Amino acid sequence: GENVEQHPSTLSVQEGDSAVIKCTYSDSASNYFPWYKQELGKGPQLIIDIRSNVGEKKDQRIAVTLNKTAKHFSLHITETQPEDSAVYFCAARGGRGSTLGRLYFGRGTQLTVWP
Amino acid sequence: GAGVSQSPSNKVTEKGKDVELRCDPISGHTALYWYRQSLGQGLEFLIYFQGNSAPDKSGLPSDRFSAERTGGSVSTLTIQRTQQEDSAVYLCASSLDQGGETQYFGPGTRLLVL
Repeated sequence: GENVEQHPSTLSVQEGDSAVIKCTYSDSASNYFPWYKQELGKGPQLIIDIRSNVGEKKDQRIAVTLNKTAKHFSLHITETQPEDSAVYFCAARGGRGSTLGRLYFGRGTQLTVWP
Repeated sequence: GAGVSQSPSNKVTEKGKDVELRCDPISGHTALYWYRQSLGQGLEFLIYFQGNSAPDKSGLPSDRFSAERTGGSVSTLTIQRTQQEDSAVYLCASSLDQGGETQYFGPGTRLLVL
C-alpha cells in the first residue's frame, strides 16, 4: 500500500512569516493529495487539495506544490496568523487495486504561530 | 448543509464493557470511513464502506472491533470488551463515492476507557 511521510512534526513561526510542511509518498499511482487542518477538539477540515495533473495550486495565503517525479508535495502558508495554529495532515489517495479510494495520512505537523 | 455527525461526542467506559459509536454521513454520500486517532498521533484507518460492496476491514486492529452500515447510511462502530489502549478519538468521514476524492470528517467521538 501507500506510505506517506510528513515533516516536520512540529513547526513554530512568528506571525507574518511563512510556514512550509513537506510530505513524500511511495505509490506512483496515487493521484490526489489533500491537506487537512485539525484544530483542538475538532475533526480534520480540508483546506486545499491537488491532483496529479497539476503542479501547483493556490488559495489566498495557502498553496500546495506537487512533484510527481520525486513523489513529494508541500503545503505553503504565507503571512501566517495565530489562527493558523493547528495540526496539519497531508494525505495521498491510493490509486490502484485494493487501495483505490483510501486516503493514507501523514503523522501530522503541529504548527504554532506566535504573535 | 448538514455535515458528518457523530455521537456521542464523549464516552467514558470501564475496561471490559462494550461501546457503540455512531456516524451519520452527509446525505447522498455512499462511501463511509472510520479512523482512530490516538493522542498526538495521525489518523489510523480502520474500515470503509462503499455502497453495497463488502467493507474493507483491513484496518481493524482486533476481532473486538466491528462495524456495520445499515441501509447504506448510518454506521455503527462497536468495540467489545474495551481495553485501556482503545482510548482514542474515533473519527468518521464520508465521501460522494469511492472515486469521490474529498473526505469530509465528523467531529469525532472521544473514548476513554478506565
